[in-house]
Amino acid sequence: ETGVTQTPRHLVMGMTNKKSLKCEQHLGHNAMYWYKQSAKKPLELMFVYSLEERVENNSVPSRFSPECPNSSHLFLHLHTLQPEDSALYLCASSQDRGSPYGYTFGSGTRLTVV
Amino acid sequence: DQQVKQNSPSLSVQEGRISILNCDYTNSMFDYFLWYKKYPAEGPTFLISISSIKDKNEDGRFTVFLNKSAKHLSLHIVPSQPGDSAVYFCAASGSGGSNYKLTFGKGTLLTVNP
Repeated sequence: ETGVTQTPRHLVMGMTNKKSLKCEQHLGHNAMYWYKQSAKKPLELMFVYSLEERVENNSVPSRFSPECPNSSHLFLHLHTLQPEDSALYLCASSQDRGSPYGYTFGSGTRLTVV
Repeated sequence: DQQVKQNSPSLSVQEGRISILNCDYTNSMFDYFLWYKKYPAEGPTFLISISSIKDKNEDGRFTVFLNKSAKHLSLHIVPSQPGDSAVYFCAASGSGGSNYKLTFGKGTLLTVNP
């Protein structure tokens, strides 16, 4: 069982749907991240949360809305997505926001927008 | 502007031989470098790292070399095994400003043939 758990593993949604991705970490980490992995592109950082406060939003469209209710849980709320939003969405955590010692990733949610 | 570049999208080697994966970076503020390994349907997992005060770090079959003047690092796997077949991501971070966060390359798909 990985220290970072993401659900669901796969999600197919229409452009008018609203859905949420969930991430949970049991590592006692203080920072959590959402990354997007599209084909043939680097992992793109979307949001950074440190001690439940959003500290970075990398020009992500408002149709993606993160939520961090506590230090162990992170959500990504999705609404009116576009087909180009189809990608693997990865959650990660680290001890602190500034920790260079690597992140622990979840297995990701494979999202398909139809 | 891609700050971490992995110019080889794929690499194929024979079992038992050496695999060399390359990575270049442009941001001189980066001072910590990591390699992640990713199997299909799983999140990236940390493999090995190196600080800019070193030029080599070794862990079993895996060695990372850093050439700061050339802004280049490489991962050597020897001997390569079929289980090493995966996508390898190079990542970098630094101090100051927004450099704390990990910046990833596009990844290189390594295939080790039996």
